[in-house]
Amino acid sequence: GEDVEQSLFLSVREGDSSVINCTYTDSSSTYLYWYKQEPGAGLQLLTYIFSNMDMKQDQRLTVLLNKKDKHLSLRIADTQTGDSAIYFCAERWAGSYQLTFGKGTKLSVIP
Amino acid sequence: SAVISQKPSRDICQRGTSLTIQCQVDSQVTMMFWYRQQPGQSLTLIATANQGSEATYESGFVIDKFPISRPNLTFSTLTVSNMSPEDSSIYLCSVWDSSMNTEAFFGQGTRLTVV
Repeated sequence: GEDVEQSLFLSVREGDSSVINCTYTDSSSTYLYWYKQEPGAGLQLLTYIFSNMDMKQDQRLTVLLNKKDKHLSLRIADTQTGDSAIYFCAERWAGSYQLTFGKGTKLSVIP
Repeated sequence: SAVISQKPSRDICQRGTSLTIQCQVDSQVTMMFWYRQQPGQSLTLIATANQGSEATYESGFVIDKFPISRPNLTFSTLTVSNMSPEDSSIYLCSVWDSSMNTEAFFGQGTRLTVV
């Protein structure tokens, strides 16, 4: 497909793990990013992974990359109410500084 | 990381008028971009702001509608001209970190409503 695709909504209970999935478009993408957008705010860079990596862990965040399937996921361990936000997946094509974004997954954390 | 300040943070404008959005970065950056986020949608790149030359626009965006200035390596403006309600969006400035060019940072955005 032509678009970076994400499911639009995810609801989890506080303390559980959240897994947000993304399918990207270009197998030559060099970097893949996860951004967080809280209501009324701009985009906060959470983490990114280089395309020659399979996994990256940063505290409660784990990024998994499956290049064969062009699938990216973000796992948030011990999800807190402060994690409620929209999460955007973005890819950066080789040779470009442009980011192509998915439509975002709205994560709702139930206390 | 780069700290980006956008002004105004929000505005309500009359159709037919123009609004200029400012983006100030706390360090010199090579790459600076303007994105639009329409309600409930993802981010779409409007243009690359080039220092000392005309901006590079993406398909569907033109200079007459979205003139951009980039007088130096820390500042840029985006003007939304002759506004209509369809221009109601969040407009975001973005820069790449100058050292490694691996991280893209965004301003807090300008929430524009055209009535």
